[in-house]
Amino acid sequence: GNSVTQMEGPVTLSEEAFLTINCTYTATGYPSLFWYVQYPGEGLQLLLKATKADDKGSNKGFEATYRKETTSFHLEKGSVQVSDSAVYFCAWTDTGRRALTFGSGTRLQVQP
Amino acid sequence: DTEVTQTPKHLVMGMTNKKSLKCEQHMGHRAMYWYKQKAKKPPELMFVYSYEKLSINESVPSRFSPECPNSSLLNLHLHALQPEDSALYLCASSQDEGGGPYSPLHFGNGTRLTVT
Repeated sequence: GNSVTQMEGPVTLSEEAFLTINCTYTATGYPSLFWYVQYPGEGLQLLLKATKADDKGSNKGFEATYRKETTSFHLEKGSVQVSDSAVYFCAWTDTGRRALTFGSGTRLQVQP
Repeated sequence: DTEVTQTPKHLVMGMTNKKSLKCEQHMGHRAMYWYKQKAKKPPELMFVYSYEKLSINESVPSRFSPECPNSSLLNLHLHALQPEDSALYLCASSQDEGGGPYSPLHFGNGTRLTVT
């Protein structure tokens, strides 16, 4: 069945470092892909999304490109801040599905 | 500020207690969800309501009983819980069922439940 696999964390970076969090998907069709972020003590928030191959989602300096050839949707940011410290979840859904399914999550810690 | 409001923020209950979690949204969304999140794990879907009717029950034990009194409110009634039910319970809503790209999920900040 369809699924997403994320890199394990925690990922620890210094402020202004480049961030990549890997997410790969397994799908028989063409799922929609998402990144959600969960800040400490809060619920999840949609960060960005993409619905088809070569789509690029972007928000708050984060980007992810839906790459069909590598079945990936890696999250990137050029210069992270301490305030980006959170847990990041890759997620997917597909036509006809009635709910979103989340990957295992990757904790990001940014040190000053 | 989150647009989905959950109360209470924290709840401690014994295994013989009966309690309820509440969730409210005023965005006109027609789908509402309960998720359970254990520490360092992703949210796991429990229930989905669409147009105030139960659409999905992910084989959740009957000690969890959802209720959708109207399109803005979602409750989760708890009875005879076990310590392993301790978790963060998240409510979410979306314009339409599914949480797809044109109807993303909006989450509340959750209720931290501890069962003693």
